[in-house]
Amino acid sequence: SQTIHQWPATLVQPVGSPLSLECTVEGTSNPNLYWYRQAAGRGLQLLFYSVGIGQISSEVPQNLSASRPQDRQFILSSKKLLLSDSGFYLCAWSGSLAGHEQFFGPGTRLTVL
Amino acid sequence: KNEVEQSPQNLTAQEGEFITINCSYSVGISALHWLQQHPGGGIVSLFMLSSGKKKHGRLIATINIQEKHSSLHITASHPRDSAVYICAALTGTASKLTFGTGTRLQVTL
Repeated sequence: SQTIHQWPATLVQPVGSPLSLECTVEGTSNPNLYWYRQAAGRGLQLLFYSVGIGQISSEVPQNLSASRPQDRQFILSSKKLLLSDSGFYLCAWSGSLAGHEQFFGPGTRLTVL
Repeated sequence: KNEVEQSPQNLTAQEGEFITINCSYSVGISALHWLQQHPGGGIVSLFMLSSGKKKHGRLIATINIQEKHSSLHITASHPRDSAVYICAALTGTASKLTFGTGTRLQVTL
């Protein structure tokens, strides 16, 4: 069966520090991968998605970037965190064909101070 | 105007009540997700449907493609159903999700 992992679970970082959040999927190949953010009191927002290694699409301009160095690994990064980057970050995967259900990781709660 | 609208935003019910959460969307979709988010933040997919009706235990989801409307029903609600329920429209070849703002449900004894 497929599983999705995210780490760390929680993170407290100072403003201006770098960020690296990792997401890995097991039990499937060539998945679509997604990064979402949920700011405090707000709804979920798609940040990035990837349909293959090295292929990243950005949905909103921001202080973050994403990379997919391996088929089942998706990384969210920032060179310098802002206060507004605080939130709950979720990784998700789906099958590579259109219309497939998405499955979510446990999330990372990021607090930027 | 959001592409996916949910109502109500907040809902309080007593144990045993029948609950309905509504979702309307304005985009073309390949399917609609109903998700459940617990206080810790984790998200569980309840249903994905593109037509008709699906049932899982006490949960029922329906969708009317022509009217661009979906409903999530909970029969015989229980305090453990307390959570945020989110509908999300699945669009495009990359299966991107556009989310509603969520409905916060509190079921009391």
